[in-house]
Amino acid sequence: AQKITQTQPGMFVQEKEAVTLDCTYDTSDPSYGLFWYKQPSSGEMIFLIYQGSYDQQNATEGRYSLNFQKARKSANLVISASQLGDSAMYFCAMGRRALTFGSGTRLQVQP
Amino acid sequence: DTGVSQDPRHKITKRGQNVTFRCDPISEHNRLYWYRQTLGQGPEFLTYFQNEAQLEKSRLLSDRFSAERPKGSFSTLEIQRTEQGDSAMYLCASSPQNPSNRIGGARGGSEQYFGPGTRLTVT
Repeated sequence: AQKITQTQPGMFVQEKEAVTLDCTYDTSDPSYGLFWYKQPSSGEMIFLIYQGSYDQQNATEGRYSLNFQKARKSANLVISASQLGDSAMYFCAMGRRALTFGSGTRLQVQP
Repeated sequence: DTGVSQDPRHKITKRGQNVTFRCDPISEHNRLYWYRQTLGQGPEFLTYFQNEAQLEKSRLLSDRFSAERPKGSFSTLEIQRTEQGDSAMYLCASSPQNPSNRIGGARGGSEQYFGPGTRLTVT
């Protein structure tokens, strides 16, 4: 069985600062993907970034980067230069086809 | 708009009634997934299709739930004899089988693109 743990129910960050959202996972699969999604108040799930378990380098997509530490089974999301529009729920997920999601972190960006 | 679409966006039904939801995936994606999301939680996997074949079903998918993808394009999710506990957002997602530019190929899976969801309220 796979499990995702997001220990931060809510986070605050000042506009233009960086923020790290924590995610730890547990799986016995040797090959898996790690994903981060953003869910604004409008409800749609927006794909942000992907990290493969075999990838040697941390994934980056614009202002998003994934701090992947395989030995510690963590896949933290770093958002640089936060913007007001980043305020949303953020979900960490893992899997190859059926994704297992964490319970999410609500990020609020303050002006 | 070439994203995933779902219909209807909202459905209110009385307990015991049957409901059916439709999902149209991104046209070149051959994998289609259904998830359920309740308030304050992350999505929970229900089932997925590769082309027309239903390859995996969660134990959350009771006998009252059935999903089809008859021609490998759109999919339907039917809930029979709805219960109040079925009230949730039903999300559909699609993904390509072989993502491009991916180190290690598709061993780690493909990113899934979600539709806007169908919010079901059972009264």
